[in-house]
Amino acid sequence: AQTVTQSQPEMSVQEAETVTLSCTYDTSESDYYLFWYKQPPSRQMILVIRQEAYKQQNATENRFSVNFQKAAKSFSLKISDSQLGDAAMYFCAYRSSTSGTYKYIFGTGTRLKVLA
Amino acid sequence: DTEVTQTPKHLVMGMTNKKSLKCEQHMGHRAMYWYKQKAKKPPELMFVYSYEKLSINESVPSRFSPECPNSSLLNLHLHALQPEDSALYLCASSPTLRLAGGSSVVVEQYFGPGTRLTVT
Repeated sequence: AQTVTQSQPEMSVQEAETVTLSCTYDTSESDYYLFWYKQPPSRQMILVIRQEAYKQQNATENRFSVNFQKAAKSFSLKISDSQLGDAAMYFCAYRSSTSGTYKYIFGTGTRLKVLA
Repeated sequence: DTEVTQTPKHLVMGMTNKKSLKCEQHMGHRAMYWYKQKAKKPPELMFVYSYEKLSINESVPSRFSPECPNSSLLNLHLHALQPEDSALYLCASSPTLRLAGGSSVVVEQYFGPGTRLTVT
């Protein structure tokens, strides 16, 4: 069975600085998807970034980028130029690419605080 | 329209009440999900509908009853709930890609804002 581990329950970053959130996972599959979701205090879960395992290039979305290390089963999220609006709970998630698979495996989350 | 909507935003119900949660999306997504989320925890999957058919039931108690009347709408009927059922209930949807041979693949999920349920 697949597992996702986020070892940092809470992180803090100064506004305008860079922070990296860690995520490791365990799977025996070779093809899968990885995601970072953000859930601000207002509750709505928002997709931040996604990575296909077959792609070697790291995904980027504006100030958000990932460091995907397939062999190490690591998928960290880097937030550059942190803003107050980045304060949220961040969940790492895994999904198999097997046809007919609908289940997402979530990590336990990292609460990010942004200090003014 | 690129969003998932959920009603009501908040719901307080007694243990003998019957109520329903509603979820709607008009993005043409054919996979829809119900999750339960406790404070500071990740979402826990409850049900998945694919093409209006129940695909996954994660051993959820029968006091929760899902329904998918059409491809845009997902309901969760609640009856005789317990105080420990108090939580944020999230709905999500995913686009599906049909593959040759009839199978399908889903990728990312889009979440609604949730319904905060309190059982008294």
